[in-house]
Amino acid sequence: SQELEQSPQSLIVQEGKNLTINCTSSKTLYGLYWYKQKYGEGLIFLMMLQKGGEEKSHEKITAKLDEKKQQSSLHITASQPSHAGIYLCGADKGSWGKLQFGAGTQVVVTP
Amino acid sequence: DVKVTQSSRYLVKRTGEKVFLECVQDMDHENMFWYRQDPGLGLRLIYFSYDVKMKEKGDIPEGYSVSREKKERFSLILESASTNQTSMYLCASSSRGGRGVDTEAFFGQGTRLTVV
Repeated sequence: SQELEQSPQSLIVQEGKNLTINCTSSKTLYGLYWYKQKYGEGLIFLMMLQKGGEEKSHEKITAKLDEKKQQSSLHITASQPSHAGIYLCGADKGSWGKLQFGAGTQVVVTP
Repeated sequence: DVKVTQSSRYLVKRTGEKVFLECVQDMDHENMFWYRQDPGLGLRLIYFSYDVKMKEKGDIPEGYSVSREKKERFSLILESASTNQTSMYLCASSSRGGRGVDTEAFFGQGTRLTVV
């Protein structure tokens, strides 16, 4: 089965600094999804990437999918307290849209 | 506004009880999912349904069953609750896709189940 590995597991960043989260797959990704979760709540969709080399941005968050479609990164510029939470990458396993997720990256933003 | 609604935010049940977790979506999505989330393990797929009455086992189906009698409703059943099923349960739905159709999953708020 396709495994998704996220790194780092957690990170602490000072407000105003940049951060990057990585998501690596053992197999080619057909669709890669990024979600954010606040503690104890459901997941909020951020972005979806499908094509090799694709890059999308929304406000201060940018996500990229590499050419081989096996690795994605999520980059946050000038982090704010509102960026704190758990970030998860999910991948379409290619079977009727079945989604598998990585273990998540916990982001803490300090003043 | 898109909505996936889970019947309870918090539940406390006793070991051996039969537990029903209900999920309803109002987006006419074909796909529905049940995940459980545990610290350090991320989201693990329990069951997946791609149509009414159709289901597929996920990565950890043992001790669970599901029911999808109507398109909008997907139920997760714990046949005999055990303490190791204490967890956060998340329901999601998505479109199967097609030309111009977005396929991202939409999630409910989660049900935190404690089995004592």
